[in-house]
Amino acid sequence: ETGVTQTPRHLVMGMTNKKSLKCEQHLGHNAMYWYKQSAKKPLELMFVYSLEERVENNSVPSRFSPECPNSSHLFLHLHTLQPEDSALYLCASSPPGTDTQYFGPGTRLTVL
Amino acid sequence: AQSVTQLDSQVPVFEEAPVELRCNYSSSVSVYLFWYVQYPNQGLQLLLKYLSGSTLVKGINGFEAEFNKSQTSFHLRKPSVHISDTAEYFCAVSPFNTNAGKSTFGDGTTLTVKP
Repeated sequence: ETGVTQTPRHLVMGMTNKKSLKCEQHLGHNAMYWYKQSAKKPLELMFVYSLEERVENNSVPSRFSPECPNSSHLFLHLHTLQPEDSALYLCASSPPGTDTQYFGPGTRLTVL
Repeated sequence: AQSVTQLDSQVPVFEEAPVELRCNYSSSVSVYLFWYVQYPNQGLQLLLKYLSGSTLVKGINGFEAEFNKSQTSFHLRKPSVHISDTAEYFCAVSPFNTNAGKSTFGDGTTLTVKP
């Protein structure tokens, strides 16, 4: 257990659905991240929030919309996804300084 | 800018054998170095990290890594592996005094321990 939780752990959705992924940490970290991990592909950094401000957005399609209401919570809102968006979505957090990252268990997303 | 190369995508070994997972990096600035492990159906977990000081770093589960600045390497080793060490291993680097989101991850090495 790293202290970072993610819900749900598994999600199946149709292309017209709207859903949200949730990430939570109470480690006192001030940065939070979303990564996408697809089979046979490197880990892809999607979004970074530092002190609740988005500092990184790596050309992610607009059908993914992050939200960071406070330093302990991070959401990823999903709408009109494509089958190729099926992947493991990992949340992480880090304390200031070294970028040491603490990962949640991930949400396994399947888009039908 | 920095990059990380994990030289082996797959490493099969027998139980109780030693193992080395290789990681080379390039960076124009000084970096911190990390190894993470991902067990099946789980997130990544920090195995060990090098921030400063002794170049030999000991981590969890009997793993250790040695930072070699001249060869820009940070290879991970374990003298005797167990079946439970079967997992994906990721090397990562992060610049000194970094702001968030500056880590670069390697593509991963799949370690398979056979009985």
